[in-house]
Amino acid sequence: DGGITQSPKYLFRKEGQNVTLSCEQNLNHDAMYWYRQDPGQGLRLIYYSQIVNDFQKGDIAEGYSVSREKKESFPLTVTSAQKNPTAFYLCASSIDDPTTGDILYYTEAFFGQGTRLTVV
Amino acid sequence: AQTVTQSQPEMSVQEAETVTLSCTYDTSESDYYLFWYKQPPSRQMILVIRQEAYKQQNATENRFSVNFQKAAKSFSLKISDSQLGDAAMYFCAYRSASKEFYFGTGTSLTVIP
Repeated sequence: DGGITQSPKYLFRKEGQNVTLSCEQNLNHDAMYWYRQDPGQGLRLIYYSQIVNDFQKGDIAEGYSVSREKKESFPLTVTSAQKNPTAFYLCASSIDDPTTGDILYYTEAFFGQGTRLTVV
Repeated sequence: AQTVTQSQPEMSVQEAETVTLSCTYDTSESDYYLFWYKQPPSRQMILVIRQEAYKQQNATENRFSVNFQKAAKSFSLKISDSQLGDAAMYFCAYRSASKEFYFGTGTSLTVIP
């Protein structure tokens, strides 16, 4: 079945450590996104990528890094520079056509199950 | 950046009754998509309904319908015949021409048996 898989479901990090969250999709989607969810703040965009080897910062990119070496994969690294990393992280993907920019190709985002990151 | 506002942090509805969740957004674009997502306790985000801005007709999916007022930049969700399984957090979302998705802060819906 097609979908998005995030792993692990729960992750614990010691202060000062970097940690990488995995996101893999087999939907053949071009665009992928990382969101952070905190209580009362909805979903805030960390990074997004519209095509392999290209990505853009979202509203809260500081302390995070990403790579997009393959269409299927968009891992997120939470670095030690992120001062308050404890949160729920959601990965999403969608159909996109960056070459034409035609709004008619836009569709909804499909989400993974999320990763709960806790700093201990 | 576009903003999406959900002014109702919490709502409740009696089972089998109707409830309307509000959403407004701010944009200068003419072409965009709007969505309502449901997030149950499992925290899996599930698409409920979507609306294309260029379509005047309001979208409907079974018991879920929207009231899309483009000039007022309003996009409310109506849930008819509410069921216990409708209890969840509901997020309104906007997709811009630059392809990013913007989300509101969510409305927590409680269904009372």
